[in-house]
Amino acid sequence: DAGVIQSPRHEVTEMGQEVTLRCKPISGHNSLFWYRQTMMRGLELLIYFNNNVPIDDSGMPEDRFSAKMPNASFSTLKIQPSEPRDSAVYFCASGTPSSYEQYFGPGTRLTVT
Amino acid sequence: AQTVTQSQPEMSVQDAETVTLSCTYDTSENNYYLFWYKQPPSRQMILVIRQEAYKQQNATENRFSVNFQKAAKSFSLKISDSQLGDTAMYFCAFMKPPISYNTDKLIFGTGTRLQVFP
Repeated sequence: DAGVIQSPRHEVTEMGQEVTLRCKPISGHNSLFWYRQTMMRGLELLIYFNNNVPIDDSGMPEDRFSAKMPNASFSTLKIQPSEPRDSAVYFCASGTPSSYEQYFGPGTRLTVT
Repeated sequence: AQTVTQSQPEMSVQDAETVTLSCTYDTSENNYYLFWYKQPPSRQMILVIRQEAYKQQNATENRFSVNFQKAAKSFSLKISDSQLGDTAMYFCAFMKPPISYNTDKLIFGTGTRLQVFP
């Protein structure tokens, strides 16, 4: 089992550029979560999907953020345009209701200059 | 809304000793799940232990155990025989049970930074 896969691991970009973060959940998991970790706000949920359908996107900061899950094995989180305050570590996690556990990917460290 | 509070920003312990990390939460739910996650410097989030609220018995995983006090809404983590590799941030987290086969989100505390000294 490869675990949750995220790419890229690190991303440095300039303000105003588009950023796309990618996630491959564990095979067989039907839930996928995007969390953001910052020093100021800690770990917070951005959005999550069940069976590829967005369930709760109330944590998405603003219209600059969008997330998609076109199939059970892939999700993207896009920021357009990016701003320095978006600098953070973005985690993807997947899980199943039967285990009540979420398994986290290694995270993507985003730096917007 | 549910909230999770970790009142100890930093803790330290000597190796082989025991340390307890505190966590309190607020919810109106009767059934739910509680977790402790470990985040070492590699930043990987690692599940340490979980507790189902309907179970009275405290969960244990090797050197890790919890003291779950449902009435007090308290969920502390005890690490016995601390090791240098236990040095990490520890996050307490709350989750409501699934509804209609839909897993819910985790709500995290602010974390406790644990340093284990030789």
